[in-house]
Amino acid sequence: DAKTTQPPSMDCAEGRAANLPCNHSTISGNEYVYWYRQIHSQGPQYIIHGLKNNETNEMASLIITEDRKSSTLILPHATLRDTAVYYCIVHRPGAGSYQLTFGKGTKLSVIP
Amino acid sequence: NAGVTQTPKFQVLKTGQSMTLQCAQDMNHNSMYWYRQDPGMGLRLIYYSASEGTTDKGEVPNGYNVSRLNKREFSLRLESAAPSQTSVYFCASSGPGWGEPLHFGNGTRLTVT
Repeated sequence: DAKTTQPPSMDCAEGRAANLPCNHSTISGNEYVYWYRQIHSQGPQYIIHGLKNNETNEMASLIITEDRKSSTLILPHATLRDTAVYYCIVHRPGAGSYQLTFGKGTKLSVIP
Repeated sequence: NAGVTQTPKFQVLKTGQSMTLQCAQDMNHNSMYWYRQDPGMGLRLIYYSASEGTTDKGEVPNGYNVSRLNKREFSLRLESAAPSQTSVYFCASSGPGWGEPLHFGNGTRLTVT
């Protein structure tokens, strides 16, 4: 799986959009970008994933650059409950089981 | 629909003791996983099971054994606990579709003294 680079920490004002960047310059054509988050001491929670098109769901939007070497996770209206560590993972899904490599992620602090 | 359930939530063991961490999922998922999380290390895969009856080693399998009891349950056993196994253990599962995400339990916090 391709390696990802994320800033170790970010702050965001409550109610504003949180934009979390991720670099994955060695991504290959069949690898997807996944985002998970981990809220204090809980299990990681899946947020969104995509291959090359931008994706949106009820939690967030994922913007992938045209060359696919970087992406941005957008939380449109951050709340205090969005304070968490966010993990960007690049992975090629396989039939059946697969392994995801979780790095250190970005610690997002939403400030009142 | 509880998702992925792990028991116990907390456990303290003495060096050399054994224990089994239990995990069950009610989403009819084929694949199940055990991860450990240590401060500053991210999550590391211990073992996984692609389907009922199969198990495979992950990144850090030494000191652990697993059993895929049936489609719902995947247990992790520490035969002789060591202080280096102090960690938070997460179980996860995923469905059969292409690129299906992982669903995690809320973890077992294990301390080995």
